[in-house]
Amino acid sequence: GQNIDQPTEMTATEGAIVQINCTYQTSGFNGLFWYQQHAGEAPTFLSYNVLDGLEEKGRFSSFLSRSKGYSYLLLKELQMKDSASYLCAVRDIYNQGGKLIFGQGTELSVKP
Amino acid sequence: DTAVSQTPKYLVTQMGNDKSIKCEQNLGHDTMYWYKQDSKKFLKIMFSYNNKELIINETVPNRFSPKSPDKAHLNLHINSLELGDSAVYFCASSQELEGRNTEAFFGQGTRLTVV
Repeated sequence: GQNIDQPTEMTATEGAIVQINCTYQTSGFNGLFWYQQHAGEAPTFLSYNVLDGLEEKGRFSSFLSRSKGYSYLLLKELQMKDSASYLCAVRDIYNQGGKLIFGQGTELSVKP
Repeated sequence: DTAVSQTPKYLVTQMGNDKSIKCEQNLGHDTMYWYKQDSKKFLKIMFSYNNKELIINETVPNRFSPKSPDKAHLNLHINSLELGDSAVYFCASSQELEGRNTEAFFGQGTRLTVV
């Protein structure tokens, strides 16, 4: 939404590492989610952070700094199938009753 | 087994018509949502509903109305369709635990085209 910012597009090379940043402003932060969405498909859950620090899940890691209102999603050993839109979403207990509010998504293109 | 399913997947209709999109979840979740994804791929929440309350995004026109016959279903009814309603509509569900919702699971989306 209007309080969540992430780059619109990124390009990276197969086998490389890419970091997708997300900044947010909320009054009642209660968790940050990353979703992956391939073209024409539904968003699928990747990761969840509610405390500061790094959460690692295989090739994907997500970091959160609540004091800075900042998160990033790190993708390692990029594969062509990682080409997708990556959505940052925040749960704000004072907005929409604590439901997920999404950023506009970052379109990642992985090239050979 | 599909966790969140919505029908139809594609819907083409004329301006002024009334249409419904159905959604069902078999995850036993207590909260369901409708999101609208526009051409810029921005996912915007329209409604969230559980057995306690319906929360409506105030920017959603009242031509849109959610209907929930039971906990596993949340249908979306749209009256007097307009060209600007063309978008992909996603249904989702989640479970409320200790006062907060877990991650949302999404249906496959309904691509609505109003002509």
